[in-house]
Amino acid sequence: GAGVSQSPSNKVTEKGKDVELRCDPISGHTALYWYRQRLGQGLEFLIYFQGNSAPDKSGLPSDRFSAERTGESVSTLTIQRTQQEDSAVYLCASSLQSIRASGEKLFFGSGTQLSVL
Amino acid sequence: AQSVSQHNHHVILSEAASLELGCNYSYGGTVNLFWYVQYPGQHLQLLLKYFSGDPLVKGIKGFEAEFIKSKFSFNLRKPSVQWSDTAEYFCAVNVPGFQKLVFGTGTRLLVSP
Repeated sequence: GAGVSQSPSNKVTEKGKDVELRCDPISGHTALYWYRQRLGQGLEFLIYFQGNSAPDKSGLPSDRFSAERTGESVSTLTIQRTQQEDSAVYLCASSLQSIRASGEKLFFGSGTQLSVL
Repeated sequence: AQSVSQHNHHVILSEAASLELGCNYSYGGTVNLFWYVQYPGQHLQLLLKYFSGDPLVKGIKGFEAEFIKSKFSFNLRKPSVQWSDTAEYFCAVNVPGFQKLVFGTGTRLLVSP
């Protein structure tokens, strides 16, 4: 597709369950980011992938959060034992190069609205 | 660590009014600065960016922003807003050499026709 695709668009889960969120970046984009936006707050950086380099996981809020990316394609963000404070919109973004290289702009997906009951 | 403050959370304007949205960042060194916009029902998209050079940056749809290093500010301006400018606007900062793009909390702009 032409843009960053995220699925599901909405996810309602019960506290304690695991969830998996998916991101398909734009083809050829080497950099991929996950952000979280809680209600009334800014975008919170979670994790960054660049090619085959080790990911920057410095933004992950706890060890319940993990993410994987296969090569330069799909990424999944997994939240284990979900808590109510995990409720947020989870946004994925990709870019042709890294911000480090050129300040390359990010292309965002439409996000996954996660609601933990 | 760098942070971004957007003090105006909600702004309501009439069409043709002038717009200025405040953005301040906290980092003493060189920064890259961005404004992103999210129109209703659409993805976040880049409005404009500053890396170096002329501190007055022109973006799409008549928007501009001025980098004032002494004030740690990167305010967004538009001389005359339109109803179609109704959106949420996010300021963001990146320290060259690091991957994180740090966003502000956003400003919701409502332009009444």
